[in-house]
Amino acid sequence: GQQVMQIPQYQHVQEGEDFTTYCNSSTTLSNIQWYKQRPGGHPVFLIQLVKSGEVKKQKRLTFQFGEAKKNSSLHITATQTTDVGTYFCAGQTSGTYKYIFGTGTRLKVLA
Amino acid sequence: NAGVTQTPKFQVLKTGQSMTLQCAQDMNHNSMYWYRQDPGMGLRLIYYSASEGTTDKGEVPNGYNVSRLNKREFSLRLESAAPSQTSVYFCASSSGSVVYEQYFGPGTRLTVT
Repeated sequence: GQQVMQIPQYQHVQEGEDFTTYCNSSTTLSNIQWYKQRPGGHPVFLIQLVKSGEVKKQKRLTFQFGEAKKNSSLHITATQTTDVGTYFCAGQTSGTYKYIFGTGTRLKVLA
Repeated sequence: NAGVTQTPKFQVLKTGQSMTLQCAQDMNHNSMYWYRQDPGMGLRLIYYSASEGTTDKGEVPNGYNVSRLNKREFSLRLESAAPSQTSVYFCASSSGSVVYEQYFGPGTRLTVT
């Protein structure tokens, strides 16, 4: 079945450093989403990417969808303590309404 | 506008007991989902409902049943709870249109002893 892997599993950074998490799917995706989950909270939608090679920015966050639509990345520039949480990608394959979530990357930001 | 609500927030069951987790959304969304999240893990899809009247299995459906009671409500039933079902359960909904943004409920923390 479809699998979605994320690396790294954990990342500790000093405040102000950059952070990147990578997402890889075993199958070609129709679109990919990114979510953030704060400790003890529920996942909150960040963005959806649909087109091959698509790049979207939200302030300090940059999202990319690979050319083959099998991988994606999230890059945070100059991390802040408010960026703490776990970041998940979720991929959807064509012809289905279901999303398969990645394993997540837990980010800790040291002040 | 409450978004997605889930009841109960916490539950402790003994092995073999049954229970139903309730989920409701007030956003007129077509699609609804049930996920489980084990400690330090990602979310795994249990069942989903693309629209009222339809349900489909996700990655880990064994030991669960669902009912899409109407467009607003999607319940998850554990017929005979097992310790392996100890987890946090999240319900989510999506409009099912161009951007399939999923809105999550606050979760139900279930412990099976």
